[in-house]
Amino acid sequence: QQQVRQSPQSLTVWEGGTTVLTCSYEDSTFNYFPWYQQFPGEGPALLISILSVSDKKEDGRFTTFFNKREKKLSLHIIDSQPGDSATYFCAASPLNTGYQNFYFGKGTSLTVIP
Amino acid sequence: ETAVFQTPNYHVTQVGNEVSFNCKQTLGHDTMYWYKQDSKKLLKIMFSYNNKQLIVNETVPRRFSPQSSDKAHLNLRIKSVEPEDSAVYLCASSPDINQDTQYFGPGTRLLVL
Repeated sequence: QQQVRQSPQSLTVWEGGTTVLTCSYEDSTFNYFPWYQQFPGEGPALLISILSVSDKKEDGRFTTFFNKREKKLSLHIIDSQPGDSATYFCAASPLNTGYQNFYFGKGTSLTVIP
Repeated sequence: ETAVFQTPNYHVTQVGNEVSFNCKQTLGHDTMYWYKQDSKKLLKIMFSYNNKQLIVNETVPRRFSPQSSDKAHLNLRIKSVEPEDSAVYLCASSPDINQDTQYFGPGTRLLVL
């Protein structure tokens, strides 16, 4: 069973446009939602994260929104740049439960065209 | 430099061989992980190690075994590799078992012929 569903699988946007990635989850115990960015040949790196007590977190051009009622979250990238071309993963975790077990989405491959 | 280091970058082997991958973190973290990333980039956690204690062991085949000499090192051994083991193996660490951010190494790409 896929704990975290991510869409779209791939996405192409023009430079300067806005990118929107979405995720949904099933387990109500999840309370921590990080987004990771992965470039080819590298490991994933934390991009931005949000806790379930918040509905929005912003970091420069990246904003993540969280909807607890609908069990959905999204990542918005404004003024998308070619350097943003990468694979993006959302993840979910039940923090402070005595163990750490991240569930990753299947990833979205983003291509930003100059 | 503080980071997560993995060796080798790439390894090609034949079915039935044994392989071992190394991971070292210089971040001073207490918890380390191994993930498998398949050809579709799907990430699945394989093991978690906290202070040398195996705390999470997902249902991975028995031919996989983590090996740790101290909290900064977590190696992965695969006995008798099979074609479906071809993947990228990612090592990660986090400050402790209840911390949020995981820091990943660059990965070891395994190809089983």
